Amino acid sequence: ETGVTQSPTHLIKTRGQQVTLRCSSQSGHNTVSWYQQALGQGPQFIFQYYREEENGRGNFPPRFSGLQFPNYSSELNVNALELDDSALYLCASRWTGEETQYFGPGTRLLVL
Amino acid sequence: AQSVAQPEDQVNVAEGNPLTVKCTYSVSGNPYLFWYVQYPNRGLQFLLKYITGDNLVKGSYGFEAEFNKSQTSFHLKKPSALVSDSALYFCAVRDGNFGNEKLTFGTGTRLTIIP
Repeated sequence: ETGVTQSPTHLIKTRGQQVTLRCSSQSGHNTVSWYQQALGQGPQFIFQYYREEENGRGNFPPRFSGLQFPNYSSELNVNALELDDSALYLCASRWTGEETQYFGPGTRLLVL
Repeated sequence: AQSVAQPEDQVNVAEGNPLTVKCTYSVSGNPYLFWYVQYPNRGLQFLLKYITGDNLVKGSYGFEAEFNKSQTSFHLKKPSALVSDSALYFCAVRDGNFGNEKLTFGTGTRLTIIP
């Protein structure tokens, strides 16, 4: 196991609702990235946080937003949920000088 | 833009035989290349990476990969497959230029080792 934890493990929401997913980084890691993995696809980069600021973003709309806290834990917020938001959401952490990202087990979100 | 292609959705190998999972990439700067494995209902587990140096890199569980710059490939290999190697494998690339740190993944290759 990597030491990256995510909560909850599973979540069911209805279209239009809002959701918050949480990630606790591996000890000593100060950079957090979030990825969306749709069924049968590879993970897609959503955004990255470093020093509590977003410093990189993929092709996702503004209703996907995030936070990083002083202890380097992180949240992913998704507003106005759509059916296509159903996916496995993965958090990955690393130390900024290290190239390897270490992934958590993911949160599986189902939007009905 | 950076991209990864994994041309085989499914690879079947008999236990004890060598295995290869193929990956080609496209990136404008220096390629940082990674292999991850995903078991059912689990996150991604890091196997190995190429950043610079020797083209043959060794990783966890007896896996290795060879970086080929001219063919823009980074194939994953193992000399003798185990049933426990059955899983979903992802190749990923990152542009080594500072400030572009996102990983771009391929669509994955499902490896099945047949006893």
